[in-house]
Amino acid sequence: QQQVKQSPQSLIVQKGGISIINCAYENTAFDYFPWYQQFPGKGPALLIAIRPDVSEKKEGRFTISFNKSAKQFSLHIMDSQPGDSATYFCAASGGSARQLTFGSGTQLTVLP
Amino acid sequence: DAGITQSPRHKVTETGTPVTLRCHQTENHRYMYWYRQDPGHGLRLIHYSYGVKDTDKGEVSDGYSVSRSKTEDFLLTLESATSSQTSVYFCAISGHVQGNEQFFGPGTRLTVL
Repeated sequence: QQQVKQSPQSLIVQKGGISIINCAYENTAFDYFPWYQQFPGKGPALLIAIRPDVSEKKEGRFTISFNKSAKQFSLHIMDSQPGDSATYFCAASGGSARQLTFGSGTQLTVLP
Repeated sequence: DAGITQSPRHKVTETGTPVTLRCHQTENHRYMYWYRQDPGHGLRLIHYSYGVKDTDKGEVSDGYSVSRSKTEDFLLTLESATSSQTSVYFCAISGHVQGNEQFFGPGTRLTVL
């Protein structure tokens, strides 16, 4: 049972554009929502994370928007750069679980 | 990679042979995890550990076993490898009280022929 659904599967954006990746979750006990960035041949790297007591968190060009009532959260990459081309994963955890549940990933390509 | 090493980094083996992957951390973190990554499936949890000799199953634990005899080492064993276990395996660690702020190692690419 997939508890975190991620879309789109792939995304192509022009340099300078905004990249938006969406995730939806089912488990209302989730209270921690990170995003990971993964380059080919590397392990996923923690990019940014949010807890549901805030609706938005920004770190540089990366912003997480969180909608608790809709059980959705999204990653926005402003002024997208070719170096941002990577696979992005959303994840969620909470309650008694000591583990993360991951979305299926989005392959982002930023064209120069 | 947050003080995490995985060995070997690449391995090719044959169906039916045993395989052990090692994860080593220098962060003294309590939690350690093994994931597998396959196209279209993201990262799926195989097993995790919340302390020395304390382990639990994840989503896709069938065919895998783990051991943790020291804080710094977490071993993943495939008792009898099958072609369906061809994958990239990642180890992760967490020092967070809930174990959810996780940092990943570089991965091991395993091919079972």
